[in-house]
Amino acid sequence: DSGVTQTPKHLITATGQRVTLRCSPRSGDLSVYWYQQSLDQGLQFLIQYYNGEERAKGNILERFSAQQFPDLHSELNLSSLELGDSALYFCASSVEPGAHQPQHFGDGTRLSIL
Amino acid sequence: TQLLEQSPQFLSIQEGENLTVYCNSSSVFSSLQWYRQEPGEGPVLLVTVVTGGEVKKLKRLTFQFGDARKDSSLHITAAQPGDTGLYLCAGGYNNNDMRFGAGTRLTVKP
Repeated sequence: DSGVTQTPKHLITATGQRVTLRCSPRSGDLSVYWYQQSLDQGLQFLIQYYNGEERAKGNILERFSAQQFPDLHSELNLSSLELGDSALYFCASSVEPGAHQPQHFGDGTRLSIL
Repeated sequence: TQLLEQSPQFLSIQEGENLTVYCNSSSVFSSLQWYRQEPGEGPVLLVTVVTGGEVKKLKRLTFQFGDARKDSSLHITAAQPGDTGLYLCAGGYNNNDMRFGAGTRLTVKP
């Protein structure tokens, strides 16, 4: 058990809809990362937050947004969903930001767009 | 575009065999991590290497960081079915960004 909790585990919705994925980081971790994993693209970094502030942005679409709240949990919002958004979405957390910090991953949310 | 290239993409071997998987980049890493991911779960950190030429051992797994810090390898001795999974390398860059490779999917048959 990594200590990182992601909800929901599975989400099925239709094109054009909007969903919110939630992540509770491991106790004591201040930094949260979001990743998208699909079969043909591997693990793609989306965005990172540290102590409530956006710290780094990766390949995140404009239709996607995220935030980290004062209690350090984070939400990833996906809107105007397209078939290609079907993927596993992972949240990870670390004590501090920094490329050498070990990241602890949740078990992911599987998003299926019909 | 993947900044890290992992090879091979797929590897299927018999129990007891040895194997090596590779992680390469044209950029210099400030650090490099190896993760293993099993179906239905998130990646789990195996090791972090930070010094060029560094070698770390974790039971039957040996991790090596290239002298120039642009590549790394993971060698597994006497593979077991429990080693089956997706092995991901993640490279850290001087701007504190970290990027994952696409992974090597290993299957060890009993």
